[in-house]
Amino acid sequence: ELKVEQNPLFLSMQEGKNYTIYCNYSTTSDRLYWYRQDPGKSLESLFVLLSNGAVKQEGRLMASLDTKARLSTLHITAAVHDLSATYFCAFQGLSWGKLQFGAGTQVVVTP
Amino acid sequence: DTGVSQDPRHKITKRGQNVTFRCDPISEHNRLYWYRQTLGQGPEFLTYFQNEAQLEKSRLLSDRFSAERPKGSFSTLEIQRTEQGDSAMYLCASSPRRREGRNEQFFGPGTRLTVL
Repeated sequence: ELKVEQNPLFLSMQEGKNYTIYCNYSTTSDRLYWYRQDPGKSLESLFVLLSNGAVKQEGRLMASLDTKARLSTLHITAAVHDLSATYFCAFQGLSWGKLQFGAGTQVVVTP
Repeated sequence: DTGVSQDPRHKITKRGQNVTFRCDPISEHNRLYWYRQTLGQGPEFLTYFQNEAQLEKSRLLSDRFSAERPKGSFSTLEIQRTEQGDSAMYLCASSPRRREGRNEQFFGPGTRLTVL
């Protein structure tokens, strides 16, 4: 069974500091997605990582993919309050079909 | 810019009743997905369509659940004889044909179901 493990599940961040969220998955794939979800809202696509070594950056967020280690990371640089949300990684198998989501990392940024 | 839309946004029903949800994908997307999300969890896959063909169903999708996409456009998800355990957010997503633009799944706002 495919598994996606995210950690930590909860992350309390201080404004201005840097943090990393980790996402491990259990089978071969080179397609990894990161989504953001605000409370009571749907999911917003952040990054699509489609090959080993892929790195994408948008503002204070940077995502990378290491398919050999089956690991993706989401780096947050100089956290700000607006980044408070739940972040999900999701793995997609070879059929370009369903997404298998991690449990999510709830991020709270405080002054 | 029209994204994925879902109707209704909220549904409260009594146990044992049937409910039906509708999803309208982004117009040029040929794949449509249904997920279920409970509080504090990531979305769980239910089923997906490519055009009108239902390509995969999760074991989570019991006999009480049925989904259709009759003309390859909008889709409906019906739950018969609802149970309290069906209370969740039901999310619909769509994606374009492979190799055409961005391949990620774009999610709708969801339908929140509460079964009393």
